[in-house]
Formats: sequence, C-alpha cells, structure tokens
Amino acid sequence: TQLLEQSPQFLSIQEGENLTVYCNSSSVFSSLQWYRQEPGEGPVLLVTVVTGGEVKKLKRLTFQFGDARKDSSLHITAAQPGDTGLYLCAGLYGNKLVFGAGTILRVKS
Amino acid sequence: NAGVTQTPKFQVLKTGQSMTLQCAQDMNHNSMYWYRQDPGMGLRLIYYSASEGTTDKGEVPNGYNVSRLNKREFSLRLESAAPSQTSVYFCASSGGGGLTYNEQFFGPGTRLTVL
Repeated sequence: TQLLEQSPQFLSIQEGENLTVYCNSSSVFSSLQWYRQEPGEGPVLLVTVVTGGEVKKLKRLTFQFGDARKDSSLHITAAQPGDTGLYLCAGLYGNKLVFGAGTILRVKS
Repeated sequence: NAGVTQTPKFQVLKTGQSMTLQCAQDMNHNSMYWYRQDPGMGLRLIYYSASEGTTDKGEVPNGYNVSRLNKREFSLRLESAAPSQTSVYFCASSGGGGLTYNEQFFGPGTRLTVL
C-alpha cells in the first residue's frame, strides 16, 4: 500500500489546457516535495512546501500544501509539450522521503 | 560539477550472477541513497547512508548490500541476481547548500535486466 497516493496515474491533454495533479495521504508530513522526471533520466526537484496551506508558484506551475499537511496539489496553467514527463510527489517521513507512484503527463501539440 | 554520476547505464545479467552498481557525487553531500523504480510503484528506498561510515536499510533491502566507500561514493551490490531485481536503479544524495528538508539530487539511473 502506497503511503502517498497520486492521481490521476496518467493524463493526456492538448497544448494550452490546464490540469491539476493530486497527492494524498492519511499521514502528516513535515514537508512535501515535487519532482519531475523525463524519460531516461533521474527525477529533478521542482519545489518543497513546508507550511500547511502554503502556495508556491514556479512560472506556470502552482503547488499547494494542504492545511493539515496530508495532501498537496500541482496545477499547471496553459500546458506546453515541454511539460511532458512523470511528476512525483514525495513526503518527508522522519528522515526519509516516501514517494508516490507518479502521474505521467503527456501534452500534445 | 557533474552532480551525481552512476555506472553502468545499462546491464543485463543472468540469474545468479553478481554485480556492483557505482555511484559518486561531487556536491559534498553527507547523505546518499539507493532507490529502485518499477512501473506503477514509484521510487522505493533500498538502502541509505546518512553520513560517511553509516548505512541503514530502507523499504526493500533484501538481496542487496551497500558500501559507503568515502563521502563521495556509495555502491550497491547484488550478490545473486534474481529476475525480480529487474528494475531501474537510482542513486541520490542530499545535505547542504541551504536545502534543509532532505531534498535529493538524483543520478541518471542504471537500467538492469536479470534474465
């Protein structure tokens, strides 16, 4: 059983559309990170959210940490083909990161 | 800076063979990690080393051993490979540079197939 559940598992959209990816858990995390992974490469850190209710923006990407620090979301505005990849959330549980299974995003031009 | 490097990039083994996956980082990080990534299961921690000279088991340690050779290098050994160990293996490091929540830097991965 995954400690962190991500949804949807797969998302295929047209360029210019908006989308939201969710990361949910029944556990409280001290912080939560989002990574992006391209085919054949390792994950790359996008952002860390720490405080309940925190919102961080990275260009067209908006990350939110739930008030209770059990869930997070990633919203992409006007998706572009370059956003294609696997998006992973990871919660800090003690001194170790626990990863969700990921959301595969495909943006078609 | 090269960041985190891994060798080899690809490997095919027969059941029962042994091999060592190498990892090195040049960011002066204290902590290093080995993960495996399987479809639909995300990244699962195999072993980690919080600092030079220490190693601890992660979520899926069975069938693996590790060595923290020095601060830069952390190797993963499969003593007797099994088909269930077919996976993509990632090394990561963390610690320092103003990042305080165990943010990790990953290598490019080793794609291992066990026949």
